[in-house]
Amino acid sequence: AAGVIQSPRHLIKEKRETATLKCYPIPRHDTVYWYQQGPGQDPQFLISFYEKMQSDKGSIPDRFSAQQFSDYHSELNMSSLELGDSALYFCASSVARQAGSQETQYFGPGTRLLVL
Amino acid sequence: LAKTTQPISMDSYEGQEVNITCSHNNIATNDYITWYQQFPSQGPRFIIQGYKTKVTNEVASLFIPADRKSSTLSLPRVSLSDTAVYYCLPRRALTFGSGTRLQVQP
Repeated sequence: AAGVIQSPRHLIKEKRETATLKCYPIPRHDTVYWYQQGPGQDPQFLISFYEKMQSDKGSIPDRFSAQQFSDYHSELNMSSLELGDSALYFCASSVARQAGSQETQYFGPGTRLLVL
Repeated sequence: LAKTTQPISMDSYEGQEVNITCSHNNIATNDYITWYQQFPSQGPRFIIQGYKTKVTNEVASLFIPADRKSSTLSLPRVSLSDTAVYYCLPRRALTFGSGTRLQVQP
């Protein structure tokens, strides 16, 4: 079965640089979620999109932005990178986040970002 | 939003049954409980979900009592490859709590 695809899988950047992470959800999934997981920590929710509109916002820094495109893929844009941004970034997808719906998130393999 | 509480860690041996209990006192009436497994440097993998009573699949069983304030993930006859972190969370939740680090010994 098709899974969530994330690219790149690994990324090395310098401080103050920018980075763009991409997420391709499972076909027919219309909701995308972004999580950040630091070393030894639990996944932290950043932001989510449903039908190309932001649906929930978590602890996403102002330096980060994200969007979901018409083909439902999503991009997380990170600017002015800091050493503390080094982490695994996971994307998850689900179907139909709407009132009363019961969706299950399926996670991608993650992008490992290292900021030097 | 329902807050979940799990043991921080558990140890077991190969071939044993492992039960991990999660408390979720304030789970919404119409929400499900979902369990994920996460290996180091990999994304959380969906294991099982349920609403009440018992659910079983090829990987695990999930027991949810009538009051739905807790749930127990049961892993039958664990192997070394079951060493991972296990998370429970309401299906509509966006926040992962602190999972349970299961260590399986030979």
